[in-house]
Amino acid sequence: KQEVTQIPAALSVPEGENLVLNCSFTDSAIYNLQWFRQDPGKGLTSLLLIQSSQREQTSGRLNASLDKSSGRSTLYIAASQPGDSATYLCAAEFTSGGGADGLTFGKGTHLIIQP
Amino acid sequence: EAQVTQNPRYLITVTGKKLTVTCSQNMNHEYMSWYRQDPGLGLRQIYYSMNVEVTDKGDVPEGYKVSRKEKRNFPLILESPSPNQTSLYFCASSRRGSGQPQHFGDGTRLSIL
Repeated sequence: KQEVTQIPAALSVPEGENLVLNCSFTDSAIYNLQWFRQDPGKGLTSLLLIQSSQREQTSGRLNASLDKSSGRSTLYIAASQPGDSATYLCAAEFTSGGGADGLTFGKGTHLIIQP
Repeated sequence: EAQVTQNPRYLITVTGKKLTVTCSQNMNHEYMSWYRQDPGLGLRQIYYSMNVEVTDKGDVPEGYKVSRKEKRNFPLILESPSPNQTSLYFCASSRRGSGQPQHFGDGTRLSIL
């Protein structure tokens, strides 16, 4: 069964620090990997999408990398701010997934940036 | 503004009383899907639709129905809701084909008593 795992489940850091969130997946046969942000009581906001042929994507202070061979992705947040506090979800679209075009989600990392 | 709209946002109801959660997108997306999110289990796909009149089961379809009569709408139907369907539900849409980012609604919190 294809799975996506996120470590750590929760993380608290002081404002201004650079940090890395980790995501691993059990099957290297993926179309893409997507990082989302979820604020309390809100839906999911797509942050970055990395195609299987790409190694990384950048948007502002965010950088996501993908290493299919090792089944890992990381989300790097530079110069963290209190507004970055949220739950971050990693999701993979597997090529052999039963839910065609569907995403398999990790359980998320709950991030708190202390002012 | 491009968006996925779900209604209602919150609903408290009783076991066995049929309910429908609507989902509408204005981006002309072919693909739409429903997920439920539960503590400790994350998001799991319920049903998905590749296009009009084409629907299929996701990972947790039991107790749910869907229909796709129009491209923009993808309602989720609970014919006889039970307490184990208390959850946070999300609708998503995207263009067909791998590698397309999925856009999510704001969620519907259902409580079945």
